[in-house]
This record gives sequence, C-alpha cells and structure tokens, in this order.
Amino acid sequence: AQSVTQLGSHVSVSEGALVLLRCNYSSSVPPYLFWYVQYPNQGLQLLLKYTSAATLVKGINGFEAEFKKSETSFHLTKPSAHMSDAAEYFCAVSDLGRALTFGSGTRLQVQP
Amino acid sequence: NAGVMQNPRHLVRRRGQEARLRCSPMKGHSHVYWYRQLPEEGLKFMVYLQKENIIDESGMPKERFSAEFPKEGPSILRIQQVVRGDSAAYFCASSSGQSKDTEAFFGQGTRLTVV
Repeated sequence: AQSVTQLGSHVSVSEGALVLLRCNYSSSVPPYLFWYVQYPNQGLQLLLKYTSAATLVKGINGFEAEFKKSETSFHLTKPSAHMSDAAEYFCAVSDLGRALTFGSGTRLQVQP
Repeated sequence: NAGVMQNPRHLVRRRGQEARLRCSPMKGHSHVYWYRQLPEEGLKFMVYLQKENIIDESGMPKERFSAEFPKEGPSILRIQQVVRGDSAAYFCASSSGQSKDTEAFFGQGTRLTVV
C-alpha cells in the first residue's frame, strides 16, 4: 500500500519569504508523485508531477519540487511567497495507475 | 474544452433522504474517479469507473453508497438514506488513460450537507 505524510497542517510565511511544504511518501514500487493546490471552495489544480524523469520538477506559479529517493521525500518549494499563494496544498502518490492517495494537506498562510 | 463539471455545487438533504451527485468528465475522458473530503482532511478515494464498468470500489462504504458511469450521460454517485456523517465535499476527477502519470483533472466538487 502507498501512503503520503505531509508534515505541518498549517504553515505561515511572510510575503516574499521562502515557501517549504514537506511531503514524505511510502511506496513499494517507484512512485509517481503529485502536488495539487486547492483554493477555498474550489477543486484541485495540478501544480506539478514527478514521473521518474528529472528529479527536480518545475511547476506552475513558480513552484518546484525535488524527488529524493534516499529520503523518500518530495518537498514543495517556492523562493518568494505571494499573497495569492495562500491555499491548501496536497501531496499525492499514484497507486498503480488507478487512484491517487492524498496526504492530509497543508494550509499555507501568507502574511503581508 | 470544458473542464470536469459537477452538479449540483451545493446539496442539502435531510437525514434519510437520497443524494445524487453528478459528474461529467472532460471531453474524451473515459476514466472517472470519485473522492470524498471530510472537513479539515485530505481527499479519500472512493471509486474508479470506466464507461459502464466499476474498476475499483475499494474506497466505497459497503452500504448506502453506489456509483455508475453509463454509456451515455454523466457519472452518478448515489447515497441512500443519508446520515450527518455523509456531510462532506465530493470531488470527481477524470482522465484519459490508466498510466500512472496521466493527469487527473478535478471538478469543483459537490458540497453535501445533511441536516
């Protein structure tokens, strides 16, 4: 079975500061990993995905994530936070091409 | 190309009533997934369907819940005799294939409130 753990249910940063959202996964096979963003009362939007190509993955809105097999991690980063980045972020792992297994989410708050 | 369409966006039901949630996948997508999001939690997989077939229903509660994806028309998630614990946001996602890296596109969800 695959699983995802997101450390920190709430993260608060100042505008312009580094954003770091943590995700660790457990998988018995090489994983495909995803980060999604959810704005209030909206569906999920794909930020980026790792599919066993480059370990550093660049996504939309200036986000990127690095796959580290030795640490079983796929942390999401952005060099400079913007007010519009305030949202909930979900890490997910693909389960044998069927469904996504999601972490419990991290709510990002950006302070002016 | 319209995205994944879910309706209604909000649904209020009294305990014991039935709830029917609809999902129209993106054009050309034949794979549909349903997820449930309880307040302050992540999304939990419920069921995976292709046209006229249930592929994986390992996340569906054993009673009161059913899903279908007919040859024509939207996918339907049906909850019979709703209880307060069914209150949640229900999301549908669709994709064009079964490979692990195929992107799933999500609808905006149906927020079910049971009173």
